[in-house]
Amino acid sequence: KAGVTQTPRYLIKTRGQQVTLSCSPISGHRSVSWYQQTPGQGLQFLFEYFSETQRNKGNFPGRFSGRQFSNSRSEMNVSTLELGDSALYLCASSSPGLGGETQYFGPGTRLLVL
Amino acid sequence: SQKIEQNSEALNIQEGKTATLTCNYTNYSPAYLQWYRQDPGRGPVFLLLIRENEKEKRKERLKVTFDTTLKQSLFHITASQPADSATYLCALDVNAGNMLTFGGGTRLMVKP
Repeated sequence: KAGVTQTPRYLIKTRGQQVTLSCSPISGHRSVSWYQQTPGQGLQFLFEYFSETQRNKGNFPGRFSGRQFSNSRSEMNVSTLELGDSALYLCASSSPGLGGETQYFGPGTRLLVL
Repeated sequence: SQKIEQNSEALNIQEGKTATLTCNYTNYSPAYLQWYRQDPGRGPVFLLLIRENEKEKRKERLKVTFDTTLKQSLFHITASQPADSATYLCALDVNAGNMLTFGGGTRLMVKP
């Protein structure tokens, strides 16, 4: 099976812009989670989607949003970008989505905000 | 406040020795604890999962222990190899959902 894929892999934006990142989970996986990784804060949970519904949400401002499509692919959006949003954004998928499962991570999208 | 602590300093060991990494947590009651490996520029890779009612789990050269009284997990790599050099992350799953809380990671360097 193909692994989790994320696009784009690298992105450069300027402050105030918005960005959309995409994640394709492993085939058959219905749970998709998003994480932000920075040198200062480490890996932090953003949100999780299951069957097109946001099931869990981390402690991030409303500028961070996401959605999941019927084919389980997910997107996350960050509006009004700030310098501090520069990070590696990782998505992970799991099955069957009941919790306490192995998370399969993608390679990440590295976002740089100038 | 809730905390997950891993040794922030790098752990340097000689090839063939056993590496032991520590994960301590406070003010959590995790249902599961997981260990991941992360190489530079890549996403974390799952290694082992241990449940709150399990004391020890093994997989090949890897062993994880979980002491819910001490609020600590130990991760061991026996017969370590240079290829084991990476950052190792512990993660707690508090509500048995798919919402992991990660420690800061420990960088392991295995020297030939």
